[in-house]
Amino acid sequence: DAKTTQPPSMDCAEGRAANLPCNHSTISGNEYVYWYRQIHSQGPQYIIHGLKNNETNEMASLIITEDRKSSTLILPHATLRDTAVYYCIGFLGNTGKLIFGQGTTLQVKP
Amino acid sequence: DAGVIQSPRHEVTEMGQEVTLRCKPISGHDYLFWYRQTMMRGLELLIYFNNNVPIDDSGMPEDRFSAKMPNASFSTLKIQPSEPRDSAVYFCASSLWTGVENTGELFFGEGSRLTVL
Repeated sequence: DAKTTQPPSMDCAEGRAANLPCNHSTISGNEYVYWYRQIHSQGPQYIIHGLKNNETNEMASLIITEDRKSSTLILPHATLRDTAVYYCIGFLGNTGKLIFGQGTTLQVKP
Repeated sequence: DAGVIQSPRHEVTEMGQEVTLRCKPISGHDYLFWYRQTMMRGLELLIYFNNNVPIDDSGMPEDRFSAKMPNASFSTLKIQPSEPRDSAVYFCASSLWTGVENTGELFFGEGSRLTVL
């Protein structure tokens, strides 16, 4: 599984877009990029995933660079409830296992 | 669906005692995962099962830890004997085989917070 690198922490103003970067320069061609978040004391929650194309769902958008060496998770209108630790993970479907790194602590401020 | 159900939510025990954590995955899910979370080490994958069979237990810290999945709707993680360094939040998660490969969309339970005195 690819090693991912994320900034340890970020701040964002409430109502503004939160852009969370992730570097995964060693990602293999069939390895997906998954994003999870963990709100304090709860279990991690799936947000979105992608392989090559940009993806959008009701929670967020995922932008993957053409060379697939990095990606950005975008929360379009951050709220205080989006304060959490966000994990970017490289995932191979044939291994089945998800390995979490240290993630980015996002603090949304009023 | 009720989601992944874990019990107990909180457990306080003394060093040397046996601890059993329980998990009921989402009905129909083929994969079950046990994770441990501490401040120092973050979220660690301990073991995972596919169709009740352990696939990878390389994350199990030592022989004091064991996990079983006797059927598709139940799994246990046992620590015997427990030690203070086992204090952590233990999460169970389940996911579904798509027919082609495993999806990385895991559904986590609320966790079992273990304190070993």
